[in-house]
Amino acid sequence: DAKTTQPTSMDCAEGRAANLPCNHSTISGNEYVYWYRQIHSQGPQYIIHGLKNNETNEMASLIITEDRKSSTLILPHATLRDTAVYYCIVRVYGSGGSNYKLTFGKGTLLTVNP
Amino acid sequence: ETGVTQTPRHLVMGMTNKKSLKCEQHLGHNAMYWYKQSAKKPLELMFVYNFKEQTENNSVPSRFSPECPNSSHLFLHLHTLQPEDSALYLCASSQDDRSSYNEQFFGPGTRLTVL
Repeated sequence: DAKTTQPTSMDCAEGRAANLPCNHSTISGNEYVYWYRQIHSQGPQYIIHGLKNNETNEMASLIITEDRKSSTLILPHATLRDTAVYYCIVRVYGSGGSNYKLTFGKGTLLTVNP
Repeated sequence: ETGVTQTPRHLVMGMTNKKSLKCEQHLGHNAMYWYKQSAKKPLELMFVYNFKEQTENNSVPSRFSPECPNSSHLFLHLHTLQPEDSALYLCASSQDDRSSYNEQFFGPGTRLTVL
């Protein structure tokens, strides 16, 4: 599995954009970047995933650099309920093989302040 | 509400007790998972079931015994646990266990305390 590196913690003001970085310099060509988050005392929640193009859904945007060695998750208008640990995970996308598992690291604790 | 429920939400047990954690998914998925999350540590995958068959046991001690009677239900039977087994136990489900085309949906977890 490609390993990821994330900052331990970040702060963001309510209503502002939260930009969460992730380094994955050893990512393979068939590995996607996934983001999950875990609000305190709850189970993790899927946010978004992507390969090389930028992706956007109702929750967030994912920006992946051209060399795919890093990415940024963007929460465009952070709210207090977005306070959570955010996990960046690289994972093979598809069927078969062995790297279908989600391997969670320590993630980034994002604190949204009023 | 993710479609994955877990009971009980909190459990306190002694080291000689036997208890069971229950997970139920209402998503029509075929794969179910048990994870353990200890304080200050990342989530650890414990067991994987696909179509009721165990496909992974991540070197989990035998005092944890999983059971999957059907694709919608998953149990974790606990006996003679140690205080260091205190953790948040999370259940998840996905369409299958051999594809990452679909994400995993997690339940709220059971907070277990072993005295």
